[in-house]
Amino acid sequence: DAKTTQPPSMDCAEGRAANLPCNHSTISGNEYVYWYRQIHSQGPQYIIHGLKNNETNEMASLIITEDRKSSTLILPHATLRDTAVYYCIVKTDSWGKLQFGAGTQVVVTP
Amino acid sequence: EPEVTQTPSHQVTQMGQEVILRCVPISNHLYFYWYRQILGQKVEFLVSFYNNEISEKSEIFDDQFSVERPDGSNFTLKIRSTKLEDSAMYFCASSRPLAGPSTDTQYFGPGTRLTVL
Repeated sequence: DAKTTQPPSMDCAEGRAANLPCNHSTISGNEYVYWYRQIHSQGPQYIIHGLKNNETNEMASLIITEDRKSSTLILPHATLRDTAVYYCIVKTDSWGKLQFGAGTQVVVTP
Repeated sequence: EPEVTQTPSHQVTQMGQEVILRCVPISNHLYFYWYRQILGQKVEFLVSFYNNEISEKSEIFDDQFSVERPDGSNFTLKIRSTKLEDSAMYFCASSRPLAGPSTDTQYFGPGTRLTVL
């Protein structure tokens, strides 16, 4: 599976949009971009995933560049409860392990 | 909404003792996983399980570890003789509903904190 690069940390003001970048320049054609988050040692929580098209659900939006070498997770209106480590993981859609990196520590401040 | 559950939430044991960590995956899922996270470190894959067999295991998953699906609902991780370095959070995950999208989105349980003294 392709590797990803994320900034180690970022701050966001409560109520503002949080834009979390991820680089995955070696992504293959059959690999999806998955986003998970982990709130203070709880189990990782699935957020969203996509292949080529932009995706949106009740938690977030995922914007994938046309060349698929990078993506951005958007939390539209960050709340204090969104403070967490966010992981961008590239993986095929067949079954198999998730390879977690260090992720981005997002701190939402009042 | 269906969720993965794990018991106990915290297990304290003496070095050399056997522990069994229990998980109840989402009921119609077919693939099961164990991951662990040592304090301050990354989440690491241990093992995946499908059709009553181990599909893949990491280097961490040595002979001290075993997994089992003893019935239609539980999925267990056994550590035969615990070491100090086994102290970690252990997460169970499941994926692949029997019917529906073929996505491999994995859903995680809340974890069991294992402390080996």
